[in-house]
Amino acid sequence: QVQLVESGGGVVQPGGSLRLSCAASGFTFSSYGMHWVRQAPGKGLEWVTFIRYDGSDNKYYADSVKGRFTISRDNSKNTLYLQMNSLRAEDTAVYYCAKGARLGELSSFDYWGQGTLVTVSS
Amino acid sequence: EIVLTQSPATLSLSPGERATLSCRASQSISIYLAWYQQKPGQAPRLLIHDASKRATGIPARFSGSGSGTDFTLTISSLEPEDFAVYYCQQRSNWPLTFGGGTKVEIK
Repeated sequence: QVQLVESGGGVVQPGGSLRLSCAASGFTFSSYGMHWVRQAPGKGLEWVTFIRYDGSDNKYYADSVKGRFTISRDNSKNTLYLQMNSLRAEDTAVYYCAKGARLGELSSFDYWGQGTLVTVSS
Repeated sequence: EIVLTQSPATLSLSPGERATLSCRASQSISIYLAWYQQKPGQAPRLLIHDASKRATGIPARFSGSGSGTDFTLTISSLEPEDFAVYYCQQRSNWPLTFGGGTKVEIK
């Protein structure tokens, strides 16, 4: 069965950096686009970023993270990453990795990880 | 950016009743709308994609309809496990966006 397991969350000071990982199994990872979606405490869902199945330069970011976050993937390790720099208090959230539900870019999300909490605080 | 507006914010119903949730898009998104269910402390779960297609393993009591700008998620008869928050999401254009959610609570 499909499994997505995030790791790397924690407490970081404003201006700091953190790298999240998402280990995927149960499907052909190299065939699907992948996303990061976040949820601030007590709030709704916010899409963060997308990477194509092949990790090409065609990546998309929410305006709120553009220039600070970088998505990447290693298909040989079935792993998705999110490098987060210049972190702000408003980046505090549970971060989910999510599998694209279709082979194209624009998609819904058919499988989600359990999430990893990132807290930005001094 | 396409804005999705969900209504009502909260729906208070009893088990066995019918739930009707609405999602309105700020511009036409054809049928490119999905619905998710989220319970406290859990990740969201895909219920419906492309407006009306049930995801794998989703019970038939969940149905979706609509196109263009107006969409509806219907739960025909609420089971105890259906009380949760529901989100809509569009995949018509970047950035992908979610509605603010509708909480279905026990009356």
